[in-house]
Amino acid sequence: NAGVMQNPRHLVRRRGQEARLRCSPMKGHSHVYWYRQLPEEGLKFMVYLQKENIIDESGMPKERFSAEFPKEGPSILRIQQVVRGDSAAYFCASSLGTGRNQPQHFGDGTRLSIL
Amino acid sequence: LAKTTQPISMDSYEGQEVNITCSHNNIATNDYITWYQQFPSQGPRFIIQGYKTKVTNEVASLFIPADRKSSTLSLPRVSLSDTAVYYCLVGEAAGNKLTFGGGTRVLVKP
Repeated sequence: NAGVMQNPRHLVRRRGQEARLRCSPMKGHSHVYWYRQLPEEGLKFMVYLQKENIIDESGMPKERFSAEFPKEGPSILRIQQVVRGDSAAYFCASSLGTGRNQPQHFGDGTRLSIL
Repeated sequence: LAKTTQPISMDSYEGQEVNITCSHNNIATNDYITWYQQFPSQGPRFIIQGYKTKVTNEVASLFIPADRKSSTLSLPRVSLSDTAVYYCLVGEAAGNKLTFGGGTRVLVKP
């Protein structure tokens, strides 16, 4: 079984551009989560989606950031008009469900660098 | 979500057992304890999850005392490849919103 796939692994953008990060969950997983990690820090939750629905976006900035998980295709985290402070590693995780013994499985992240 | 406290770093040597203790004084009745491992430039990897007493899998053991206010991850006979950051998380089951603290940096020396 393929794990959670994220692409690109590295993304460089100039201030003001848009960044699109893609995440394909593990086969059969319909729950997707996005996290952000700054250097030397733990991951911070951003958003939780379940096929076509945003369930919890309490960790996502109100402006410039959006996420979707369409019926077909990968989940997309979109950052508009990027700023230097958006530079970070963005991790996606997926799970089969949200109950016990259904842990979140993570991809290897997209490292976003803003020039 | 319950806040967790764990040591910032630990050093060990190949072949030794490593025990990382995590404090979670405010753990709720429905909360489970989950541990993740993260290597540089990789995403966290699920290690083990438990609710009480002891849980063991092929990678590690998790010891949880009766009051559940702490837990200890035990890594038997570590190798150099076990050098990583280990995160203790507490929340309902797997949790919709995992809260990662600073983790424990484990360095295994030859």
